[in-house]
Amino acid sequence: ETGVTQSPTHLIKTRGQQVTLRCSSQSGHNTVSWYQQALGQGPQFIFQYYREEENGRGNFPPRFSGLQFPNYSSELNVNALELDDSALYLCASSGSRRGPDTQYFGPGTRLTVL
Amino acid sequence: DQQVKQNSPSLSVQEGRISILNCDYTNSMFDYFLWYKKYPAEGPTFLISISSIKDKNEDGRFTVFLNKSAKHLSLHIVPSQPGDSAVYFCAAAISGTYKYIFGTGTRLKVLA
Repeated sequence: ETGVTQSPTHLIKTRGQQVTLRCSSQSGHNTVSWYQQALGQGPQFIFQYYREEENGRGNFPPRFSGLQFPNYSSELNVNALELDDSALYLCASSGSRRGPDTQYFGPGTRLTVL
Repeated sequence: DQQVKQNSPSLSVQEGRISILNCDYTNSMFDYFLWYKKYPAEGPTFLISISSIKDKNEDGRFTVFLNKSAKHLSLHIVPSQPGDSAVYFCAAAISGTYKYIFGTGTRLKVLA
């Protein structure tokens, strides 16, 4: 059974650029959640996808968008990057869209915006 | 508005002793709680969870206690080992919803 994987590991972009981060969910899981973890903070919920549809969204602007594919892998897209977008982006998968259910995290993508 | 708080940014404990990590929450609707451990350059690793219908859950060296009236949970690690040195996050959720709310983490250092 493979765990949650994310790519790339690190990424450096400049302000105004766009970025796409990728996530493969754990085998058998159909729900993917994305979180942003700024330095010294806990992860903050961005949104969740269940069977290719957005299932809920946190307090992030529309320039944060996502996709989920039929194989349950997922992408996070961020447009018009700002310096404050520099953070660790975490993807988590779970077996159902409704809690309580344990979410399993990938290793994260470290995004630096210059 | 920080709904989940971990008021101790760091904790040092001697190997073999008990580590107690604390977490407070404000939203009485939370009914599912989890602890994650995070090493540098890795994603959070699930440790243990507890539903609000229980006040204690044990898994090996890890025990989570929930005090609903005080809106407080704690993680006990006995005995502590140097490999337990990491940042520990508590998280809370409401059944039937889709997101976890995380605390800011406590850095545990277990001294050999």
